[in-house]
Amino acid sequence: QQPVQSPQAVILREGEDAVINCSSSKALYSVHWYRQKHGEAPVFLMILLKGGEQKGHEKISASFNEKKQQSSLYLTASQLSYSGTYFCGTEGNTGNQFYFGTGTSLTVIP
Amino acid sequence: GAGVSQSPRYKVAKRGQDVALRCDPISGHVSLFWYQQALGQGPEFLTYFQNEAQLDKSGLPSDRFFAERPEGSVSTLKIQRTQQEDSAVYLCASSSSLPGLALRGTGELFFGEGSRLTVL
Repeated sequence: QQPVQSPQAVILREGEDAVINCSSSKALYSVHWYRQKHGEAPVFLMILLKGGEQKGHEKISASFNEKKQQSSLYLTASQLSYSGTYFCGTEGNTGNQFYFGTGTSLTVIP
Repeated sequence: GAGVSQSPRYKVAKRGQDVALRCDPISGHVSLFWYQQALGQGPEFLTYFQNEAQLDKSGLPSDRFFAERPEGSVSTLKIQRTQQEDSAVYLCASSSSLPGLALRGTGELFFGEGSRLTVL
């Protein structure tokens, strides 16, 4: 039930844009996005709810396609601080599980 | 407390030893999750508590893993007869929201800093 993310890794120069995709094999009520820096705990970025409501973050936005069971995270004008591993998160079949995706390593260089 | 607190931060165990990892969630948070994160991998779901009830333990890798949250606040993850493959960071996360009902609250999971277990 683990969502699959793509790409696995991406390297950007400061100011460039990136898109990270998350695909699930099951119907979704919501998609979460988290960022984890090396040696630290994951930190919540945003949640997208069924019906299109988005609770977002400045300069980082996301889309949620319920029919395709996919979500994409958009990072615009990337900053050095954006470096880290990004995970999408989705609820499991029973509603008592929460799974993280395979992860996307993002490195922003000057 | 102000955030999710986990202890110990680092634990080295000899193969075959039992270990106990503690999680102190944010006060009042109903939901508590445990995850196992191997080096370079994403967090893998282990188990979920709603208050004191363990509603899902489908992710526990074997019967050597046991978790409890007897009073609906502090939780302990116990690993018996540790094996080398148990080496990982164990993350605890709490939330004021209930899974499957993401429209209630923000749905955000708050993570602790993790307990890094190394089994020799």
